[in-house]
Parts: sequence; C-alpha cells; structure tokens
Amino acid sequence: AQTVTQSQPEMSVQEAETVTLSCTYDTSENNYYLFWYKQPPSRQMILVIRQEAYKQQNATENRFSVNFQKAAKSFSLKISDSQLGDTAMYFCAFMHGSSNTGKLIFGQGTTLQVKP
Amino acid sequence: EPEVTQTPSHQVTQMGQEVILRCVPISNHLYFYWYRQILGQKVEFLVSFYNNEISEKSEIFDDQFSVERPDGSNFTLKIRSTKLEDSAMYFCASSEAGVPLAHKPQHFGDGTRLSIL
Repeated sequence: AQTVTQSQPEMSVQEAETVTLSCTYDTSENNYYLFWYKQPPSRQMILVIRQEAYKQQNATENRFSVNFQKAAKSFSLKISDSQLGDTAMYFCAFMHGSSNTGKLIFGQGTTLQVKP
Repeated sequence: EPEVTQTPSHQVTQMGQEVILRCVPISNHLYFYWYRQILGQKVEFLVSFYNNEISEKSEIFDDQFSVERPDGSNFTLKIRSTKLEDSAMYFCASSEAGVPLAHKPQHFGDGTRLSIL
C-alpha cells in the first residue's frame, strides 16, 4: 500500500526567507502524481503544486517549487520569499497515475508559521 | 470563484444517533469525495462518487456510512449510528472529470467538525 510521510510536524520561518518542507512516500508503481496542498487557518485546503512522476523537471508555481527525487522517493516543497499568508498546514499527497477514482493519500501535515 | 460549501460547520451529536453532513460541490464538477481528519492525525480518504455511484471507498467506509446525491446539487454523507471514534473534521471535495483525473484539482470545502458525545 502507498504511504506518505511528513516527518516535520511544525516549522517556522522568518518573513522573506526560504523554507523547505519534507515529504517521503512509498510506492512500487512507476506512474503516479504527487501534490502539495495548503490548509490556511480558515481551513479550506487548496492545491499548491502538482508533480507528475514521469517528468524529470521539477514543478514550479511562482514562489513554490519542488525537489522531486524519484529514486529516493522524496518530494520536498520549497517556499521562497516567505510571506505571512503562507502560514498554514501543508499536506503532501499521492495519487495513482491511472486512478479513475481520484483517491488522494495524504501525509500527516506540517504546520508552517511565518514570522514577521 | 466558485467554492465547495459544507453545512453545518459544527455538528454535535449523541453517540448512536444518525448524522447527515451536507455539501454543495462546484456546479460543473462530476467527481465528489469525502475525507476526514481526526484531530492530530492525517487526512484520510473515505469515498469517491461518480455518475451516481461509489467509485472507490476505504476500509473506514463501512456499513455505517453512506453517500447520496439526492437532488443534483447536494452531496451528503450519512453516518447511521455514530461512535465516539467518528469525531473528526469531515471534508467534502469535488473535481471535474477528465483523463487523467490527477490533472483535475480537487476543490475542498471548509469542513464540518463532528463531535460525538
């Protein structure tokens, strides 16, 4: 069974600095997707970034980028120029590439506090 | 921007009672999901629903649970006889259809906090 592990329950960063959140996963499949979701204190979870396992190039979305290490089964999220609005819980998630049900498998989450 | 809405935001129920959690997905979405998050634990998949039937359910989703799309706009989760361990935040999500489905982001509601006494 697929598992997703986030080993950092809490992290903090100073505004404008860079922070990296870690995620590892376990799968025997070759075709899958990885995601980072953000859940601000208002509770609605939103998609931050998606990575296709078949793509070697790391995904980027503005200040958010990932370091996808397929062999190591590692998928970290880097937030550059951190802003107060980045304060949230961040979840790493996995989906089978051939999924026709949309099931997401989440990690435990990392609470990020951006300090002014 | 369209949102997934969930009601109520907080539900308190006596153990053994039935509870219905309600969700209004985004109108052009065709896939619907329920997830739950027990306090301090990870978000867990419960069920996905497409074309008026369950497409996948987890081990958690036993006979006490059911889902329904009663009127083409609402998507409900019913827990028939609640247990203390059902206390959790329940999230509804929806997405467009497409292949691969992973390219269609899931949009989440704010959640319903269910407290079983």
